[in-house]
Formats: sequence, structure tokens, C-alpha cells
Amino acid sequence: NAGVTQTPKFRILKIGQSMTLQCTQDMNHNYMYWYRQDPGMGLKLIYYSVGAGITDKGEVPNGYNVSRSTTEDFPLRLELAAPSQTSVYFCASSSQANRGPGSPLHFGNGTRLTVT
Amino acid sequence: RKEVEQDPGPFNVPEGATVAFNCTYSNSASQSFFWYRQDCRKEPKLLMSVYSSGNEDGRFTAQLNRASQYISLLIRDSKLSDSATYLCVVNSHDYKLSFGAGTTVTVRA
Repeated sequence: NAGVTQTPKFRILKIGQSMTLQCTQDMNHNYMYWYRQDPGMGLKLIYYSVGAGITDKGEVPNGYNVSRSTTEDFPLRLELAAPSQTSVYFCASSSQANRGPGSPLHFGNGTRLTVT
Repeated sequence: RKEVEQDPGPFNVPEGATVAFNCTYSNSASQSFFWYRQDCRKEPKLLMSVYSSGNEDGRFTAQLNRASQYISLLIRDSKLSDSATYLCVVNSHDYKLSFGAGTTVTVRA
């Protein structure tokens, strides 16, 4: 019963470094999402995917890239880390389009990223 | 205008009290509504979906008012364990869910 698994849990990056946040789910969900949450703020959508091979931008995609080569995996790439990307990142998945009740998101435990 | 707005609180209530708060949304075409609970710096977890006719889950009651574009959450007989941030979630556009910034509830002994 792993659900949504994110790695790493914590990371400190220097400005300009790159890294990939990993996300995998074992629920065969088609829809996957990356959110960031800044202190005292709501979650903001970075990128989402409605199935393998399909990705699209959310509200705050700048500075990030994603890929979806399999149903299970949805990694998030930071190419040139900036202090503004210091945040908590959550990956989530759902089983169907969010139309009508019963299509909630399942979240991973989050990745706490600090860029200094 | 933000897509989803919530009163941040905090709502500080004694054990056993009733607390209620609302969330407004801007997209009248929204069809899915949820309340999530988030404990300090942990992942959000689904508390309950919100149905058009309103629904209860134990001590929690959710209501939807489409005319005024808001949803509400009422917690009866508050427990210490209800202390958390409650996130209002609405599907603003197709597959994308928009989150409110959350309402903080603190239940004191």
C-alpha cells in the first residue's frame, strides 16, 4: 500500500544547481500533479499530466520541467535552482478527471527544498 | 480575484464547541468540491467531498451554495485532534484543482 512515493524528503541546493524530484504511484492513476506550497500559502499547481506521454503547465511552471514516460512515474526537474524555488513540493495523483465528487487527490509526503 | 478564498483564521475554540467557516470560489462552472485537512507541514489529506445536497461525515458537515459560490465546513463537538489547517479545494478548470490558503483551527482543552 505504498500509494504516492516522493524522494528525497529533504534537499538543500546551491543557486544554479539542478536536481530531479522523484514521484511514483502504484495505484494505476492516470492523472498526476506537482504542487508547491510556500509558508502560509495555498498549494500552487506547477505541472500536471493526464496520462503517459502527456504533460501540461499549471499556474507556476517557470523554472521547472516534467516528463511522463510511464503511468507510474512523474519526475519534476529543476534546471537552475533559485532561492524563489525554496518551498515544499507535493506530488499527487488521482484516478479520473476531477469532475464530480469522488475524484480526490492522493498526495505524497512532500519534498522540502531549500535553495541558498 | 483568487480562484479560491478562505478566511485564514485562526479559529481558537474550546473542546466540545462548534466551529464553522466558509470558502468562496470564483469559477461558476466548478463541479468538484472538497475539504482537505493538513497537519503542520505534512501532506494534505482528504477530509470529505462536498455534494450538492450537503453531506455529513460524523461530526463534520459540508454544504455547497452554488448561487453564492461558496462551500462551508462545520465541525461539531470539537476535539483536540481536530486542530489543523482545513483546505478548500475546487476544480477551477477541467483537470486542475485549485486550493485555498487554508483556515487554521485550534481546539484548546
